[in-house]
Amino acid sequence: EIVLTQSPGTLSLSPGERATLSCRASQSVSSSYLAWYQQKPGQAPRLLIYGASSRATGIPDRFSGSGSGTDFTLTISRLEPEDFAVYYCQQYGSSPMTFGQGTKVEIK
Amino acid sequence: EVQLVQSGAEVKKPGESLKISCKGSGYSFTSYWIGWVRQMPGKGLEWMGIIYPGDSDTRYSPSFQGQVTISADKSISTAYLQWSSLKASDTAMYYCARHVVGEVDYWGQGTLVTVSS
Repeated sequence: EIVLTQSPGTLSLSPGERATLSCRASQSVSSSYLAWYQQKPGQAPRLLIYGASSRATGIPDRFSGSGSGTDFTLTISRLEPEDFAVYYCQQYGSSPMTFGQGTKVEIK
Repeated sequence: EVQLVQSGAEVKKPGESLKISCKGSGYSFTSYWIGWVRQMPGKGLEWMGIIYPGDSDTRYSPSFQGQVTISADKSISTAYLQWSSLKASDTAMYYCARHVVGEVDYWGQGTLVTVSS
């Protein structure tokens, strides 16, 4: 099973700042089958990025994903108030699919 | 409009059985994998398993194999997650999720399962 390790655990930033979230896999993720989700309290997760770098429908272009192999990054170029949430990465290149433990982006 | 509508919250005692449901609409139910994801209180997301309603092909995470059963009834576009004997540690929010290649593009609203004596 591929273990995904997200860092940092918590990111304290101000609106307008840039957020860089990391997701490291214990083995190479085949075909860059890596997705990112946002979850706000009391809500289901929402798909942001799939295939490591493709934005899902309706996702603003301030969200971008990059990486391959074992190292992946989600970047939020300028944080908006609604972006403060928990972010999860997920690999779906090998079974079982797995999630990272999450990174909380909080208001500084 | 694609929707996944889950059954309501449940409160059960340890040892009881339970089956929760997820009804899909607005798309071809038999053409997409449906998975289940657990979120324990204050914790992260855990992928439990997945079913292809078209032929009932089912896969489980090793962590959940033998602990739960995933099934689907394509005639009513509904997927299920069931337990034969609940434990307190099964207390969690459970989400059903439509998978495309493997990423989840639509989620149910979640079903809160509380197991307490």
